[in-house]
Amino acid sequence: QKEVEQDPGPLSVPEGAIVSLNCTYSNSAFQYFMWYRQYSRKGPELLMYTYSSGNKEDGRFTAQVDKSSKYISLFIRDSQPSDSATYLCAPPGYNKLIFGAGTRLAVHP
Amino acid sequence: GAVVSQHPSWVICKSGTSVKIECRSLDFQATTMFWYRQFPKQSLMLMATSNEGSKATYEQGVEKDKFLINHASLTLSTLTVTSAHPEDSSFYICSAPSGTGGYGYTFGSGTRLTVV
Repeated sequence: QKEVEQDPGPLSVPEGAIVSLNCTYSNSAFQYFMWYRQYSRKGPELLMYTYSSGNKEDGRFTAQVDKSSKYISLFIRDSQPSDSATYLCAPPGYNKLIFGAGTRLAVHP
Repeated sequence: GAVVSQHPSWVICKSGTSVKIECRSLDFQATTMFWYRQFPKQSLMLMATSNEGSKATYEQGVEKDKFLINHASLTLSTLTVTSAHPEDSSFYICSAPSGTGGYGYTFGSGTRLTVV
């Protein structure tokens, strides 16, 4: 079993839609979780990080962690074409990031 | 914020030659640098972890003699792809713990290597 599982998509939505991106993980020792956004042919950039179970909101983005079920989500409200990218969940493990496969999102006008 | 400068951004080389990729931390000290490889439409796969002043740690299946890593200073880590072959063509990205928010890792902009 992979340490981090993520549906690779692609996910195609119309502009303005609410997007839900999800990851599951297997290691209960993971304490905090990060979401990275990667545009095509660019390095990933940190979007959000969250430590505890529950929700964390930042503008149009909400990160949600359920440690009991080892499930993490990223919600994007009012999605924009500029949100088109690959979203990677990454719980740090043993001093290194462990990436999910990444979900490719396309937001079309 | 923390910046990792990666060069070159793209390179084309002939099969059998070597290519060096540099990553510099511009406004912080990076005692550790992670090197990733990413094939098209796939996620980042950790290749190795370099530590300033000591030998790099390679992930299982990564040839250490082919992918030479040097971390000579607190701001510079290099990856040299030796005797490159077409199957080494990929997107290489470095990353360093930067302490952003206490948990952040800053990534370089990546190097697209094409071996012809």
